Amino acid sequence: EDQVTQSPEALRLQEGESSSLNCSYTVSGLRGLFWYRQDPGKGPEFLFTLYSAGEEKEKERLKATLTKKESFLHITAPKPEDSATYLCAVQGGFQKLVFGTGTRLLVSP
Amino acid sequence: DAGITQSPRHKVTETGTPVTLRCHQTENHRYMYWYRQDPGHGLRLIHYSYGVKDTDKGEVSDGYSVSRSKTEDFLLTLESATSSQTSVYFCAISDPAGTAIYEQYFGPGTRLTVT
Repeated sequence: EDQVTQSPEALRLQEGESSSLNCSYTVSGLRGLFWYRQDPGKGPEFLFTLYSAGEEKEKERLKATLTKKESFLHITAPKPEDSATYLCAVQGGFQKLVFGTGTRLLVSP
Repeated sequence: DAGITQSPRHKVTETGTPVTLRCHQTENHRYMYWYRQDPGHGLRLIHYSYGVKDTDKGEVSDGYSVSRSKTEDFLLTLESATSSQTSVYFCAISDPAGTAIYEQYFGPGTRLTVT
């Protein structure tokens, strides 16, 4: 059974204080690992897809990396507007994603 | 932003009544999905569709049915609502484009309360 575990559950940072979020996964035949951002009361917003170990992708202050067992979402010099819940998901089986429960990030000014 | 709308956005209903939620897309994506999101469980797949009149079950399909008569519309029906179906429901769309690896784009959600 495919599984995704995200840690920490919640993270509080000061503005400018860089950190990383973790997504550990077990899947039979990884076809893709996805990161989403979700603001309160809204649907998840797609950020990145990673396909194979060693791959990295960047968008503004966010960088996602992938190994064979986990993915990291690095946040460099975060701003208050980066506050959100970040979701990780894996695609193993055909056309189905399995999601983790997310990391709630709060960035204080 | 992907053109996905959900209706209604909020609904309160009584136990035992049928409820239908609608997802409408303007992106001509082949695949459509219904998820529910509950604290501590993350997003869980209810049903999905891979074409008009082609649907399949997800992880938590009991008590739910779906229909897709047009590419742009995907309906989720709670046949007889129960309090355990109180949740936030999200619709998502995707289009493999022949790669079999793809992103899903989500709608704004419907908050359903069953009293």
